[in-house]
Amino acid sequence: GENVEQHPSTLSVQEGDSAVIKCTYSDSASNYFPWYKQELGKGPQLIIDIRSNVGEKKDQRIAVTLNKTAKHFSLHITETQPEDSAVYFCAARVYSGGYNKLIFGAGTRLAVHP
Amino acid sequence: DAGVIQSPRHEVTEMGQEVTLRCKPISGHDYLFWYRQTMMRGLELLIYFNNNVPIDDSGMPEDRFSAKMPNASFSTLKIQPSEPRDSAVYFCASSLRQTGNYGYTFGSGTRLTVV
Repeated sequence: GENVEQHPSTLSVQEGDSAVIKCTYSDSASNYFPWYKQELGKGPQLIIDIRSNVGEKKDQRIAVTLNKTAKHFSLHITETQPEDSAVYFCAARVYSGGYNKLIFGAGTRLAVHP
Repeated sequence: DAGVIQSPRHEVTEMGQEVTLRCKPISGHDYLFWYRQTMMRGLELLIYFNNNVPIDDSGMPEDRFSAKMPNASFSTLKIQPSEPRDSAVYFCASSLRQTGNYGYTFGSGTRLTVV
């Protein structure tokens, strides 16, 4: 069935270190993979996304990689800062019944310590 | 644009009472989604609409839950009767697929507590 697995569930790093969050998906037809950041008391916000026709995308300190063969995609945050502390969700677009929807991973709670 | 607007932000109700959550999507967006977030189950898709028509309600937990979208600018999620296990944060999200942008814009959520 449709499933997105996300690891780790919690991640603690020192300020300035890098953080990596990994996801795997089950639907080989998925072709769009967004990442969301959820801060305390707020809704998830789209921070970066990648489509299946590219293997990597960067936006300042954030990068995403995609391995379609292995059905893996990852979020990389470099030079982490305390304001990066949040819950991060990966998602994969699946096609069902003529419509598209996003399936979300369980989330990763990232803590960046000064 | 003010984004996706949800109300109320917080709701505390007694078991057995009816609860109505409200959502105003971004103007022009043609998809609307209702999600429930809990520690145990993460983000669960409850139901979604396309052009005000319900497309998939397979995520609605039981008959006590119902959702409507009477027009393009308003949707409700109703729980009747409410139970303590319904306590969660409920999010509404919208998107515009015509542009090829599949990302969702989420509202700030409604934190529901049923006592």
